[in-house]
Amino acid sequence: DTEVTQTPKHLVMGMTNKKSLKCEQHMGHRAMYWYKQKAKKPPELMFVYSYEKLSINESVPSRFSPECPNSSLLNLHLHALQPEDSALYLCASSQGSHSKDYGNTIYFGEGSWLTVV
Amino acid sequence: QKEVEQNSGPLSVPEGAIASLNCTYSDRGSQSFFWYRQYSGKSPELIMFIYSNGDKEDGRFTAQLNKASQYVSLLIRDSQPSDSATYLCAVYGSQGNLIFGKGTKLSVKP
Repeated sequence: DTEVTQTPKHLVMGMTNKKSLKCEQHMGHRAMYWYKQKAKKPPELMFVYSYEKLSINESVPSRFSPECPNSSLLNLHLHALQPEDSALYLCASSQGSHSKDYGNTIYFGEGSWLTVV
Repeated sequence: QKEVEQNSGPLSVPEGAIASLNCTYSDRGSQSFFWYRQYSGKSPELIMFIYSNGDKEDGRFTAQLNKASQYVSLLIRDSQPSDSATYLCAVYGSQGNLIFGKGTKLSVKP
């Protein structure tokens, strides 16, 4: 069982709505991530938080707004989304800061399925 | 330029056979290599990671790494229908991001 917990598992929202996706981990990991995955595609990195600071924003539109209230929590605030934003949103965490060095294994949560209507 | 290449498949093997999944990468400085399994409609699940040249075994799974050839593979012995899934190869790229291949869809036929 994954130790990265995401809520809600499913979300349907209108293009004028404001909603949030939530993620929590209790593994003591210091890096947390948001990925977006469309059908039959690999996960695409959106944001990385390292030690509660935003370290990577992969040119994500401002209608997606991440927030890291503390080292265990990660939110993704959604506003004025488009139907093409419908996807599986994956939260993940890793032990160390975001790095290509040894030991930085990324663990995924179960994901939040988002449908924008 | 793609950094991680995988054959998208589908790869079909009979139950009990060895499934061989392959991945090549372009960044010679890559040090960490991962295999994730993703069932349809589910999130990626870590199967194995490997850092050193050679083989690493975990139950029915063996990861093989050849840094000189920039090649990493995953062997699944005694394949079961429950192994049917998409297998994602992931490599840390030069920018420090985990780069995923497009995944290989494996189908194990009873």
